[in-house]
Amino acid sequence: DGGITQSPKYLFRKEGQNVTLSCEQNLNHDAMYWYRQDPGQGLRLIYYSQIVNDFQKGDIAEGYSVSREKKESFPLTVTSAQKNPTAFYLCASSPQGSANEKLFFGSGTQLSVL
Amino acid sequence: QQQVKQSPQSLIVQKGGIPIINCAYENTAFDYFPWYQQFPGKGPALLIAIRPDVSEKKEGRFTISFNKSAKQFSLHIMDSQPGDSATYFCAASMGSNYKLTFGKGTLLTVNP
Repeated sequence: DGGITQSPKYLFRKEGQNVTLSCEQNLNHDAMYWYRQDPGQGLRLIYYSQIVNDFQKGDIAEGYSVSREKKESFPLTVTSAQKNPTAFYLCASSPQGSANEKLFFGSGTQLSVL
Repeated sequence: QQQVKQSPQSLIVQKGGIPIINCAYENTAFDYFPWYQQFPGKGPALLIAIRPDVSEKKEGRFTISFNKSAKQFSLHIMDSQPGDSATYFCAASMGSNYKLTFGKGTLLTVNP
């Protein structure tokens, strides 16, 4: 089945710890995105990547980092600099040429602070 | 600064009712307005979308109405079913910009 796989489904972070959320897609999409979802707050863009080895900051990039070494993978690291990391994190991708017109989302990772 | 304002925050209707969710935007450069549907514990999925050159778009039981002069657009769900219970997000973008600006979402509950 084609789609976007996010792992783990649940993740717990200790004080001062960096954690990495995995996102893999087998849709052959060029663009990939990371969104943060907080209750009642909609989705906010953290980072996006249009092609391999290139990525841009979204609206709330502080405290996060990404890499795009392979077309199918776009991991997100939540660093210790992110003081309020508890949220539902969503990875998405879009086909070449469609920019953000149709995003395909994964099932998300719920990150909580211990 | 919230560029897309969505209302209501939550909505409860009976089966067969017609829930209406409204969104208003500020940036007149926006030219693409999608709606996403999200079930609990899942990622959102594109439901229907519209561009400013039309005032209405219908796909099955879902209809978008668009009012360019008022900078507003809305989602109507005809003959709503309990399976439509989900969170609905409106969004907006401009040109080939990779950023999609989302509203805060509406939690819809359709009672049997």
